[in-house]
Amino acid sequence: NAGVTQTPKFQVLKTGQSMTLQCAQDMNHNSMYWYRQDPGMGLRLIYYSASEGTTDKGEVPNGYNVSRLNKREFSLRLESAAPSQTSVYFCASSPRTGTRMNTEAFFGQGTRLTVV
Amino acid sequence: QKEVEQDPGPLSVPEGAIVSLNCTYSNSAFQYFMWYRQYSRKGPELLMYTYSSGNKEDGRFTAQVDKSSKYISLFIRDSQPSDSATYLCAMSAAGFQKLVFGTGTRLLVSP
Repeated sequence: NAGVTQTPKFQVLKTGQSMTLQCAQDMNHNSMYWYRQDPGMGLRLIYYSASEGTTDKGEVPNGYNVSRLNKREFSLRLESAAPSQTSVYFCASSPRTGTRMNTEAFFGQGTRLTVV
Repeated sequence: QKEVEQDPGPLSVPEGAIVSLNCTYSNSAFQYFMWYRQYSRKGPELLMYTYSSGNKEDGRFTAQVDKSSKYISLFIRDSQPSDSATYLCAMSAAGFQKLVFGTGTRLLVSP
């Protein structure tokens, strides 16, 4: 059981370049998330998708776009990368059942992105 | 002021010690409380999940929630070098779609 799979694991971009981070989960979860993790800042939510076909902004959405391609896949796109987007990006998914709706998140291994 | 505050550490203890990790929060709407463990260069993994106030025990780990004080704790008994990691607290309000994380406490358990 793979869980949450992110690609790529590492990436170096030049300022102004674009790229898409891919995420897929095989746990049949409805909700998916993109976080970034920076030293001293903790995990901050970029975008989330409560269900297939819906996406919403999180805490730090500027400079990013997302696509919920289907129930399994949730991609994050950087249209014009900036050095401030250097970070570790985590995709996560969570079940959505009853009173435990969105209480657990299962994370991928992360993508280390450097923008020079 | 951040919604969730967590001491970054590092917290250094000898093997076998009892470890206490804590978070405070300001949002009284939080009802779901979680602890995640994150090893270096890995994604966070869920350790403990607690709903509302009270205690929950799982092996060497005990999670406590005191909603009146807006304070949560994770206790690790008989700590092992393999417990060396960063521990993140996370919280969610009912019906919300997102978790709010603390910045994490780095724990070092020496043999």
